[in-house]
Amino acid sequence: EPEVTQTPSHQVTQMGQEVILRCVPISNHLYFYWYRQILGQKVEFLVSFYNNEISEKSEIFDDQFSVERPDGSNFTLKIRSTKLEDSAMYFCASHPPLSNGYTFGSGTRLTVV
Amino acid sequence: GQNIDQPTEMTATEGAIVQINCTYQTSGFNGLFWYQQHAGEAPTFLSYNVLDGLEEKGRFSSFLSRSKGYSYLLLKELQMKDSASYLCAVNRMNRDDKIIFGKGTRLHILP
Repeated sequence: EPEVTQTPSHQVTQMGQEVILRCVPISNHLYFYWYRQILGQKVEFLVSFYNNEISEKSEIFDDQFSVERPDGSNFTLKIRSTKLEDSAMYFCASHPPLSNGYTFGSGTRLTVV
Repeated sequence: GQNIDQPTEMTATEGAIVQINCTYQTSGFNGLFWYQQHAGEAPTFLSYNVLDGLEEKGRFSSFLSRSKGYSYLLLKELQMKDSASYLCAVNRMNRDDKIIFGKGTRLHILP
């Protein structure tokens, strides 16, 4: 069964450093999303991406965040200058048109120290 | 605004049936999801209800009442592997819209 692949599975970074989280969505999917989940809390929406542009973003997704689909397969989330409170699991998700089934990647656990 | 409420924790016995309730109040509503999430893992899709009524899928069933802003997930013949968090979530505009999650119900299965 096709999967959404995320790398790395775990990233530790120092406060103030830039991180790039990578996702390879399922090939025929057109809608892409990033969510995050702080330990013990609910899954929160960050940003949605369709047709090579952001379609919606949440209040969490401030100027420190950006997304890109540089080569038609990878979908990246960049955090420019990480803060301690950015420590969370970051999930990429995608789904094809005319379908209700979102598929989530296995996540990247980001730890900011 | 949006509010999605579900119990924080529930406990049930292996082989039994458990019903996890969810109520929602959102500005706009398209459909309601149930996801299963094991600790440290990604959410996995269980069901998506758009119309009122019950949808059955193996041991799991999901019910929706749009007029009452209410849904439940019914798990039958519980197995130890069903120990997980169950996330109620909605999208508001259309099937491509972002998902808004509740805080999840942690289900403990006792032998």
